[in-house]
Amino acid sequence: ETGVTQTPRHLVMGMTNKKSLKCEQHLGHNAMYWYKQSAKKPLELMFVYSLEERVENNSVPSRFSPECPNSSHLFLHLHTLQPEDSALYLCASSPGWREFPDIQYFGAGTRLSVL
Amino acid sequence: QKEVEQNSGPLSVPEGAIASLNCTYSDRGSQSFFWYRQYSGKSPELIMFIYSNGDKEDGRFTAQLNKASQYVSLLIRDSQPSDSATYLCAVNSFNSGYALNFGKGTSLLVTP
Repeated sequence: ETGVTQTPRHLVMGMTNKKSLKCEQHLGHNAMYWYKQSAKKPLELMFVYSLEERVENNSVPSRFSPECPNSSHLFLHLHTLQPEDSALYLCASSPGWREFPDIQYFGAGTRLSVL
Repeated sequence: QKEVEQNSGPLSVPEGAIASLNCTYSDRGSQSFFWYRQYSGKSPELIMFIYSNGDKEDGRFTAQLNKASQYVSLLIRDSQPSDSATYLCAVNSFNSGYALNFGKGTSLLVTP
């Protein structure tokens, strides 16, 4: 148990559905992250929030919409996804860039399948 | 493009042997280096981090960093079948802010 909880663990959705992934951290961290992990590819950073402010957005399609209502919670809202979006979506948190090294701790992930 | 390169493997070692996992990186400004272990279907878990040249030991694990050669490695002594997993190298630099650049990972198989 890393202190980062993701729900749901598995999600199957159609291309026209709208769903949300949830992440909660109990570590008192200031930064939260969304990553995408596809087979045979490195982890891809999608979004970073620091103190509830989005600080990085790595050219992610608009069908992925993040939300960070407070420093403990992070959401990824999904709509009109494509089959190639099927992947493991990982949430992570870290103390924040003022701490060196700034170690990221990962949640268990949500396995997403888009039909 | 900041690259982190790892051999994908699989690297197969017999139980009790030393497993050596290697990683090279392209950004000379890189400052901190992380090794994560990821079991199949699970999330990455931190094994070690290092930020100074030389060796850092933690139990059966030793991380080695050579900034001049832009090379970081992880040695696993007395390898156990439970060490069989994918090992991810991740690199952070001050210029990249929050971003960790990950390699594709090396698959390690420890055979009994």
